[in-house]
Amino acid sequence: DQQVKQNSPSLSVQEGRISILNCDYTNSMFDYFLWYKKYPAEGPTFLISISSIKDKNEDGRFTVFLNKSAKHLSLHIVPSQPGDSAVYFCAASARSAGNKLTFGGGTRVLVKP
Amino acid sequence: GAVVSQHPSRVICKSGTSVKIECRSLDFQATTMFWYRQFPKQSLMLMATSNEGSKATYEQGVEKDKFLINHASLTLSTLTVTSAHPEDSSFYICSAKRGADTEAFFGQGTRLTVV
Repeated sequence: DQQVKQNSPSLSVQEGRISILNCDYTNSMFDYFLWYKKYPAEGPTFLISISSIKDKNEDGRFTVFLNKSAKHLSLHIVPSQPGDSAVYFCAASARSAGNKLTFGGGTRVLVKP
Repeated sequence: GAVVSQHPSRVICKSGTSVKIECRSLDFQATTMFWYRQFPKQSLMLMATSNEGSKATYEQGVEKDKFLINHASLTLSTLTVTSAHPEDSSFYICSAKRGADTEAFFGQGTRLTVV
């Protein structure tokens, strides 16, 4: 049973527009959420995170929104740039489970110039 | 920033041999490191949690005798794939955390090919 799901396997967006990536989770014990960016044959690079006590966190072009009641989080990238083209993974962890990360399946983003 | 170095980045080995992958936190101490495996076009699957000075905690379905994990110091964890077979060919990635509520930093990954 997948505890973290990214239902959109891919996303195509025009340069300068907003990219919105979605992630749903089922485990109510998750209390920390992260977004990672990954290129092929490389390890993931941390982008932004949010604690369950917040509903929004912003860092430059990246904003993460958390809706705990809906068990849903999203990542907004604005404006999107061609260098943002990569696979994005959301991840969740629970302090009660030793803070190990559970990853979603990833969303491949393509930003067109 | 926090840097995690993984070595080697790529290894090819013969079936039946063992391969050791190292994961080092270069500028911080990591009491906990994690080992993941990623198949093509799939997500990262946690294999085990490595705790400094104690035995690793393996996820369900991961053979502890096949994937030996050692976390001998606060900056080094190793994963040894024993008696490797072609089905063990995959991308292995380690990560390390500085604290309970901080993000995990990942190594560059190791592409293992067993021939």
